[in-house]
Amino acid sequence: GEDVEQSLFLSVREGDSSVINCTYTDSSSTYLYWYKQEPGAGLQLLTYIFSNMDMKQDQRLTVLLNKKDKHLSLRIADTQTGDSAIYFCAESIRVTGGGNKLTFGTGTQLKVEL
Amino acid sequence: DSGVTQTPKHLITATGQRVTLRCSPRSGDLSVYWYQQSLDQGLQFLIHYYNGEERAKGNILERFSAQQFPDLHSELNLSSLELGDSALYFCASSVERLGILGTQYFGPGTRLTVL
Repeated sequence: GEDVEQSLFLSVREGDSSVINCTYTDSSSTYLYWYKQEPGAGLQLLTYIFSNMDMKQDQRLTVLLNKKDKHLSLRIADTQTGDSAIYFCAESIRVTGGGNKLTFGTGTQLKVEL
Repeated sequence: DSGVTQTPKHLITATGQRVTLRCSPRSGDLSVYWYQQSLDQGLQFLIHYYNGEERAKGNILERFSAQQFPDLHSELNLSSLELGDSALYFCASSVERLGILGTQYFGPGTRLTVL
């Protein structure tokens, strides 16, 4: 089955690290993604990880993947007020016929306080 | 800027009407995807086209249809509109290499309001 879950809210102080967690259920996922959505804006691709990797680091962002537990996390180091947004994790699933789709989590609203 | 463009940005219409949303993928991307984002359903996959052919269908209503043209742009047609169709509609595109579909890049979305 396909179900992606995230906690709804996270509040951190500026300069601290943020960790946003996600669990998914479909073990056939090929890629797992993190997207950022600011108010009134579209979805910005932040980073992604291939399903056979454990970790990926990209500047302030670190993605950890625990395939056994189907758990994905996004760590943002030195969180800034500009990081305040909704963060979506998504799994990419290949479907019959050669198609592909993303299944999104509910989104985690990150609030960064001064 | 992802390179994916969508028009119009905003659309306000009445129940029972029909609208067309347009998407141009990134240069070189053959795949186009449509998603709907609403408060109660979250982000839902609607449909995937690859080089003009439908490849996958998600939670797309029968009142909705899509197509991808030879120049690779895509249109999503929504008919007999209901209040519940009010949502943000996103288009995304990706490239395919060696049978592997790549990362999906999203357009800015079209906000549809049905009154």
